[in-house]
Amino acid sequence: QVQLQESGPGLVKPSQTLSLTCTVSGGSISSGGYYWSWIRQHPGKGLEWIGYIYYSGSTYYNPSLKSRVTISVDTSKNQFSLKLSSVTAADTAVYYCARSRDGYKWDYWGQGTLVTVSS
Amino acid sequence: EIVLTQSPATLSLSPGERATLSCGASQSVSSSYLAWYQQKPGLAPRLLIYDASSRATGIPDRFSGSGSGTDFTLTISRLEPEDFAVYYCQQYGSSLTFGGGTKVEIK
Repeated sequence: QVQLQESGPGLVKPSQTLSLTCTVSGGSISSGGYYWSWIRQHPGKGLEWIGYIYYSGSTYYNPSLKSRVTISVDTSKNQFSLKLSSVTAADTAVYYCARSRDGYKWDYWGQGTLVTVSS
Repeated sequence: EIVLTQSPATLSLSPGERATLSCGASQSVSSSYLAWYQQKPGLAPRLLIYDASSRATGIPDRFSGSGSGTDFTLTISRLEPEDFAVYYCQQYGSSLTFGGGTKVEIK
C-alpha cells in the first residue's frame, strides 16, 4: 500500500519561499508509471492543483502559479518537493501531495499539512 | 480556464435517500474528462468517479456518475451514514480545475 507524507515548516513569512517535501513509502518513484502532484486547499474552501512531476523530472504546472512554483524529485530518497516563492497570506492553505497514473486524477493522497503565511 | 459550478451548495437528506449532485462546466469538457471526489473533515479527498462514469477501485456501486459536455451528475442511490461529506467535481480535459463543492448533510 502506497503512503505519502508531507513535511515542512508550518509557518512561512510573507515574501519568503514555502518549501515542502513528500516522502513516498510502499512504492518507488523511480519505477515510473506515476505522476507525483501537489494540490492545496485554502481554509474552508475548494481545491487547487499546483503541479506534478514525473520520475524523469518532467513537470507541468498550473498556469496561474507557474511563475512561482518549482517541483523537483529525489529518487534516491523516494521524495519529491515543492517550492513556492514570494508567498503572501493568500498562499495559506493545507498542502497535499498525491499520486496519479496520468497526472490528472489522484488515487493516493498524503494527509495534508497546513502552511500559514504570516509575519 | 474551464470553470466548474456545483449545485446545490448544500444538500440535506436522510440516510437511505437518493442524492443527486450537479456539476456544470463553463465550456465543454473534452472526452468527458471529469472526476468526482469525496472529502470528510480533516481528511484528504478520495477519488470516487473518473472519466465521468467509471468508478475508482473499491468504490461501492451506490455511487454512479453520468453526463457529458457541460453537464455532469453524481448520484448516490441510497445514502449510508458514512456518505455525509463534501463532494467535489474536477475536470482534466483542459488543464485541471475543481468545482466549489457540494456538502451532503444529515437532515
